[in-house]
Amino acid sequence: QKEVEQDPGPLSVPEGAIVSLNCTYSNSAFQYFMWYRQYSRKGPELLMYTYSSGNKEDGRFTAQVDKSSKYISLFIRDSQPSDSATYLCAMSADGPDSWGKLQFGAGTQVVVTP
Amino acid sequence: GAGVSQSPSNKVTEKGKDVELRCDPISGHTALYWYRQSLGQGLEFLIYFQGNSAPDKSGLPSDRFSAERTGGSVSTLTIQRTQQEDSAVYLCASSDRQGSETQYFGPGTRLLVL
Repeated sequence: QKEVEQDPGPLSVPEGAIVSLNCTYSNSAFQYFMWYRQYSRKGPELLMYTYSSGNKEDGRFTAQVDKSSKYISLFIRDSQPSDSATYLCAMSADGPDSWGKLQFGAGTQVVVTP
Repeated sequence: GAGVSQSPSNKVTEKGKDVELRCDPISGHTALYWYRQSLGQGLEFLIYFQGNSAPDKSGLPSDRFSAERTGGSVSTLTIQRTQQEDSAVYLCASSDRQGSETQYFGPGTRLLVL
């Protein structure tokens, strides 16, 4: 079983809808949670970064972390065709043995149709 | 400023040949990471360099894989005696400090082993 599980999609939504993405994980030591966006044939780009539990909002993006359920979410409001991409969740534990070694989900492909 | 760059963009090789992949991190970034992204899979951590410390090689899948970082800047990932299962996108990332979860990714090198 993978440490980080993410539905690969594709997830198709009409423009203006809310996109809801999520990941589950098994390692209770994870403390840092990130969402990356990856356009086709490009490297991942960091969207949101959260430490421990809680919510974080940045413009149209909201990230939520529920450590008790080992579940993280990303919501994209007022979705645009330019949001069409693959969204990757990533996480890591604290401590020198874990520094920088991100564990990624497989990514969810999102398609926003005009 | 310039982001992380990688070369070549694409590489096609025959099974059994050696390949070298190059990464130029963001100037001044002390940490450098290599990941592998296979089709339909998330990013898989390979190796991590931080300053002049010994690299963390815990993610390298076999002894055919090696990497070096010269002068604390450019890094080369070498795959010896390539196999078809080595076909993937190899991504490099850098960050400005040890253990930072804010990693900036390059566009990747797409490797195809025939």
